[in-house]
Amino acid sequence: AQSVTQLDSQVPVFEEAPVELRCNYSSSVSVYLFWYVQYPNQGLQLLLKYLSGSTLVKGINGFEAEFNKSQTSFHLRKPSVHISDTAEYFCAVSDPPTGANNLFFGTGTRLTVIP
Amino acid sequence: DVKVTQSSRYLVKRTGEKVFLECVQDMDHENMFWYRQDPGLGLRLIYFSYDVKMKEKGDIPEGYSVSREKKERFSLILESASTNQTSMYLCASGRVSVNTEAFFGQGTRLTVV
Repeated sequence: AQSVTQLDSQVPVFEEAPVELRCNYSSSVSVYLFWYVQYPNQGLQLLLKYLSGSTLVKGINGFEAEFNKSQTSFHLRKPSVHISDTAEYFCAVSDPPTGANNLFFGTGTRLTVIP
Repeated sequence: DVKVTQSSRYLVKRTGEKVFLECVQDMDHENMFWYRQDPGLGLRLIYFSYDVKMKEKGDIPEGYSVSREKKERFSLILESASTNQTSMYLCASGRVSVNTEAFFGQGTRLTVV
């Protein structure tokens, strides 16, 4: 089974500063990769996904992520964060071609944006 | 607009009670999932279903069962609730195809006392 490691459980960052949330996965074979965001008291919402093609993936709300196969990483970045980005972020992986048939989630990173 | 609806946002139940958590999706998705979310543990899959009356165990099925009698509805059942089942429960649905993603409900926060 796949496993996903999010090394940072909490990341505080000042408003308008850049941020990187780290994600590593276990498999060296082809995978699908996802980042989800969970705002307080809400379900999860898809930020972006990597299925194939360009290793730099752009998502909603100005986020992007880079797939690095050799390092089995899929780090999430934003050049300038806003207060409204305060949320919990989950990295997830699944095995193609089943897509979302079974998603393996990391333990989450709580991003806190400080005014 | 895509919608996954969980019947309750908050539930309080007593130890030993039978508990039903209901989830309905309006997107005609084949796949439906139940996850449990706990601090520091992320989301863990309890059960998933890829068709009506079909189900597969996830990572932590013990103490839970599921029912999928109609395509749009997926129920999670706690046969005899215990305090260690106090948690946030998230339902999701998705298509059986590549390029798919999972759509999540708002979650049900269950407290067992």
